[in-house]
Amino acid sequence: GAVVSQHPSRVICKSGTSVKIECRSLDFQATTMFWYRQFPKQSLMLMATSNEGSKATYEQGVEKDKFLINHASLTLSTLTVTSAHPEDSSFYICSARDLTGLSEKLFFGSGTQLSVL
Amino acid sequence: RKEVEQDPGPFNVPEGATVAFNCTYSNSASQSFFWYRQDCRKEPKLLMSVYSSGNEDGRFTAQLNRASQYISLLIRDSKLSDSATYLCVGGDSSYKLIFGSGTRLLVRP
Repeated sequence: GAVVSQHPSRVICKSGTSVKIECRSLDFQATTMFWYRQFPKQSLMLMATSNEGSKATYEQGVEKDKFLINHASLTLSTLTVTSAHPEDSSFYICSARDLTGLSEKLFFGSGTQLSVL
Repeated sequence: RKEVEQDPGPFNVPEGATVAFNCTYSNSASQSFFWYRQDCRKEPKLLMSVYSSGNEDGRFTAQLNRASQYISLLIRDSKLSDSATYLCVGGDSSYKLIFGSGTRLLVRP
């Protein structure tokens, strides 16, 4: 079963609204989560690294005021796309590191398809 | 130049064929490498890690050449279910992953 839950799976919204996407680790604590964006027929592009209890680290070219990341607990990170515009329409996906056990593992959420009208 | 480069394909092969994908990376500091498989509009799924010594998992064989900064994936006896996009991925010690743009594979009956 899924160990990282991402919600919602699909969002359709009007231009100018804000959209919140949640990423939860279900049976492990994740001090670090990653947020990616994927445009059609393109690669997954890392947007930011979400660190529990501290500010997220954004990749070059990603506006931190537009893509707000909150990692307030060890099992939940949220990405809020503020004042979404059609060019923000994309597939957003999170991943979380599981540091428990003998080997470190990385798990992906199932992704969120955002369509901004 | 992209950090991880792949031929986008598509590779269109018949069932049973052997197909090879190549990938190059530019960041010599990358420590770990993987092949992921992604089906349309789904999350990527880890296919296998890649080691310098080469590793095999059933019909899949992966190889890393650090000197040439080159990674390969070989799929033998292709199945229809192998049709997907294969992502070459490099990672650093903090599991920050850099994805290639993917190589699309179509296996036909």
